[in-house]
Amino acid sequence: QVQLQESGPGLVKPSQTLSLTCTVSGDSISSSAYYWSWIRQHPGKGLEWIGYIYYTGSTYFNPSLNSRGSLSVDTSKNQFSLKLHSVTAADTAVYYCARDIAKVGATAFEIWGQGTLVTVSS
Amino acid sequence: DIQMTQSPSTLSASVGDRVTITCRASQSLSGRLAWYQQKPGEAPKLLIYQSSLQSGVPSRFSGSGSETEFTLTISSLQPDDFAVYHCQQYKSYPLTFGGGTKVEIK
Repeated sequence: QVQLQESGPGLVKPSQTLSLTCTVSGDSISSSAYYWSWIRQHPGKGLEWIGYIYYTGSTYFNPSLNSRGSLSVDTSKNQFSLKLHSVTAADTAVYYCARDIAKVGATAFEIWGQGTLVTVSS
Repeated sequence: DIQMTQSPSTLSASVGDRVTITCRASQSLSGRLAWYQQKPGEAPKLLIYQSSLQSGVPSRFSGSGSETEFTLTISSLQPDDFAVYHCQQYKSYPLTFGGGTKVEIK
């Protein structure tokens, strides 16, 4: 059974960097050839796709985030990570990591982590 | 970016009702639309992908549409179906979601 688990600080100060890690169990990032994404949900709002990373290190980052972030993968730890710089209160959200259903790119999300709330506040 | 618009934003219904949620895209998706169900405090659950129900999803759920207008139908609403439903396009990057439809008890 594939499981994803987000981890990282729940509170980040404005202008600092939000850093989250997703640990994958039951699947291998490097050999399964799936695409791995981050998605966030502002309180009481809809979902926003942040971007994906592939085990080769190939990434796509949503332009709506104004190049403030980066995605990375550590295949030795079976983890992938999100960094979002210069955060503001508008970045307060529940952050999810997810695995794609297909192996052709980022399409739809079949397996999700439980989500982690990150609050940006001084 | 492809804009996704769901309607209604809230829907009040009773157990046994037939429920339809609409999702409209700002450009043709060529059928590339997914539907999710999300319950409070939980991650979304994928219901429909490539017009097909995911494994374990009850057959009372169905999806239709192909270009810019799509519908999710629940043929007979059950207590477990009260939730928020999201549509999502995967025609082009960035992937985008609709604003969600909350199905609540009437």
